[in-house]
Amino acid sequence: AQSVTQPDIHITVSEGASLELRCNYSYGATPYLFWYVQSPGQGLQLLLKYFSGDTLVQGIKGFEAEFKRSQSSFNLRKPSVHWSDAAEYFCAVGARNFNKFYFGSGTKLNVKP
Amino acid sequence: GAVVSQHPSWVICKSGTSVKIECRSLDFQATTMFWYRQFPKQSLMLMATSNEGSKATYEQGVEKDKFLINHASLTLSTLTVTSAHPEDSSFYICSASKRGAEAFFGQGTRLTVV
Repeated sequence: AQSVTQPDIHITVSEGASLELRCNYSYGATPYLFWYVQSPGQGLQLLLKYFSGDTLVQGIKGFEAEFKRSQSSFNLRKPSVHWSDAAEYFCAVGARNFNKFYFGSGTKLNVKP
Repeated sequence: GAVVSQHPSWVICKSGTSVKIECRSLDFQATTMFWYRQFPKQSLMLMATSNEGSKATYEQGVEKDKFLINHASLTLSTLTVTSAHPEDSSFYICSASKRGAEAFFGQGTRLTVV
């Protein structure tokens, strides 16, 4: 069965510190992988995606993620967090024909001044 | 990127009434649209997948007679919550994709049933 696990429900980091949000997935085939950010009461904004090729992908707002097939992981990183990054982050996997998306439970990021 | 618009952004309705949420792809033709529901502090749960001109495919546990989905054109899908009850209060998000391309999400609709 398909599933996406984000083991960290809440993470608090200091502004300027580095960040890593974990994501593990279980999927029958090679999926497409995504990270989305959601501000309170808002929809989803795509941060980055992995379809194929280079396993380290760059996204918007200085985020990057690395696909590790052997670990079934797609962790999100940012070298220096800004206060405006405080939000909820969702990892998602999708079928290669885009007929279904599965989301992780989300990680809420708090940023300390 | 492509734009998907949801309307309304928020709605309050009385228990027992029906409410319709629209999802439009503004600058592309969406062969497939998806409807998700998000409970407070939880992730998005896929409710149904709709392909233009055919019946929606509902996920297990989603009542198709309560959540009516129509995908009558390549740019519009609607979700109607029939006989709404307070437990239907939630955040509903749609996404739309063009065949073979990624999906884009709407901004969501906050439904409150009183």
